[in-house]
Amino acid sequence: DAGVIQSPRHEVTEMGQEVTLRCKPISGHDYLFWYRQTMMRGLELLIYFNNNVPIDDSGMPEDRFSAKMPNASFSTLKIQPSEPRDSAVYFCASTGERGDTQYFGPGTRLTVL
Amino acid sequence: KNQVEQSPQSLIILEGKNCTLQCNYTVSPFSNLRWYKQDTGRGPVSLTIMTFSENTKSNGRYTATLDADTKQSSLHITASQLSDSASYICVVSPFSGGYNKLIFGAGTRLAVHP
Repeated sequence: DAGVIQSPRHEVTEMGQEVTLRCKPISGHDYLFWYRQTMMRGLELLIYFNNNVPIDDSGMPEDRFSAKMPNASFSTLKIQPSEPRDSAVYFCASTGERGDTQYFGPGTRLTVL
Repeated sequence: KNQVEQSPQSLIILEGKNCTLQCNYTVSPFSNLRWYKQDTGRGPVSLTIMTFSENTKSNGRYTATLDADTKQSSLHITASQLSDSASYICVVSPFSGGYNKLIFGAGTRLAVHP
């Protein structure tokens, strides 16, 4: 199994631009999570999906952030417009059952200039 | 306020030595406690998951303990190897919450030197 796949691995963009991060969960997993990690705040859960449906997006920082999961094998996290304070590593994770181990992707390092 | 605090913040040990990382939490009641290992530039990898009724769980050279009465957990690493150099994150899931209520510790950064 290839594990959770994220793209791109690195993204550098200018303030005000739209950024789209992509995630392919492990096949058969029905929970998908988006996290953000910074030195100051550590790991933060942004949103999670169950069977492609967003369950809780209370961790999404602002309306500039949106996430979709059009099918079981693909999810996107979009930031529009991006700001320098959005610079962080964004992780996607998936799991097969509530309470089971979450498998993290390699992350996307986002830098907003 | 629910919190997960880890100590020490960072630690340096020599290869072959043992070490213990601490996690104190105020989350109550809680469903489970997890320890993750995160290598630099990589995503976190689960080491152990313990429910409130479990006292210890091992994964190779890693042994996690849990004392639900004192709300403390520890991660013991035996015969450390250079590859153990990483951040170790303690994560507590409140009993009533879904995944959105996971409480993350700030992590302990471990460096194993030859």
